[in-house]
Amino acid sequence: AQSVSQHNHHVILSEAASLELGCNYSYGGTVNLFWYVQYPGQHLQLLLKYFSGDPLVKGIKGFEAEFIKSKFSFNLRKPSVQWSDTAEYFCAVKKTGANNLFFGTGTRLTVIP
Amino acid sequence: SQTIHQWPATLVQPVGSPLSLECTVEGTSNPNLYWYRQAAGRGLQLLFYSVGIGQISSEVPQNLSASRPQDRQFILSSKKLLLSDSGFYLCAWRLAGGHEQYFGPGTRLTVT
Repeated sequence: AQSVSQHNHHVILSEAASLELGCNYSYGGTVNLFWYVQYPGQHLQLLLKYFSGDPLVKGIKGFEAEFIKSKFSFNLRKPSVQWSDTAEYFCAVKKTGANNLFFGTGTRLTVIP
Repeated sequence: SQTIHQWPATLVQPVGSPLSLECTVEGTSNPNLYWYRQAAGRGLQLLFYSVGIGQISSEVPQNLSASRPQDRQFILSSKKLLLSDSGFYLCAWRLAGGHEQYFGPGTRLTVT
């Protein structure tokens, strides 16, 4: 079955630590990839996206993600996290031309000051 | 600019009661509209999407239904709620032909 996997359910880091959240998908063909973030009490919002071109994409707040087609992965990274990065992070995949996004189960990030 | 509204923000309903959640979008025309349910530890599950007035696609069989009576209005309904319907319901919109989805603030539904 087609799916989006986020293997890290809850990650706890100290401020200034580096972050990498995993995302793997199982769709064949061309895909569009997204990371969404949900800060406590706020709307789900787009962090970054990949459509084509450079597989290393940069988003808001110093986040970046790398699309590795051979590994069906789109991992999210940040070199140095801040307390304000505490949130839930969702990876999402859309098959090109499709109407729907398919989401992973989310990773809760807690950053300790 | 475009905005998306959902109401109510929170709702507590007894088992067997009906449900109506509303979502409206402003500042755009003919958007694709979506209903998701977010359950703890299970991510976002797509329930319904609509590409136009009166056009509804269901992704998951359940006792919920959706309707789109106007271009920018999307309604999620149930005739009789189940305990398992509890969750956080998110509405989203996307420009037809676009890639990104934009999410509303959500409705927290508790079925008791």
